[in-house]
Amino acid sequence: DVHLVESGGGLVKPGGSLRLSCAASELTFASAWMSWVRQAPGRGLEWVGHIRSKTDGGSADYAPPVKGRFTISRDDSKKMLYLQMNTLKTEDTAVYYCTTESASFGSDGDYFDHWGQGVLVTVSS
Amino acid sequence: EIVLTQSPATLSLSPGERAALSCRASQSISSYLAWYQQKPGQAPRLLIYAASNRATDIPARFSGSGSGTEFTLTITSLEPEDFAIYYCQHRIKWGVPEYTFGQGTTLEIK
Repeated sequence: DVHLVESGGGLVKPGGSLRLSCAASELTFASAWMSWVRQAPGRGLEWVGHIRSKTDGGSADYAPPVKGRFTISRDDSKKMLYLQMNTLKTEDTAVYYCTTESASFGSDGDYFDHWGQGVLVTVSS
Repeated sequence: EIVLTQSPATLSLSPGERAALSCRASQSISSYLAWYQQKPGQAPRLLIYAASNRATDIPARFSGSGSGTEFTLTITSLEPEDFAIYYCQHRIKWGVPEYTFGQGTTLEIK
């Protein structure tokens, strides 16, 4: 079974930075599209961003609320996914999930098939 | 921006009954729709992708249907472990990537 384990969460002040990590196992990581999805306390799910596999270009895309502040990267040799979060705001408080992304049709991913257990990020003064 | 609207917000049923959860898209999304189940304190779990395809290890009592703007997740003969929150999700397959989730339907024990 695919296993995703997030780490790096915690309490940070507004304006601060935090880097989340996601360790993958039992997965052909290099060929996987990977996403981050978050869930504010008591709220629904929100896509944060994704990164394509290197064979599909390796580029990342972001949701408008985090674009310019968050950066997704990957280290295929270590099977690791990262989320660098800068200029954090109180509204970034959420559980952050690392997910794999697969495609119904074609090569562009469109749904999230494997999820980590999530890591809590709290932005508060 | 495509908006997904789920109904009802809360559905109260008893074990053994049949559940039908609705997800309506603000414009046609073909069959690019997925369904997830989330239990308290757990990560979401993929149930259905491409509107009607069951994910690996998902019981046959879960089925998805629909295309265009109207989609339904049906659970025949509810089991106690099926009471949870269900989300639908779509990704626009053209232009700038945009992933949208519905607001969720809570399936509770009556």
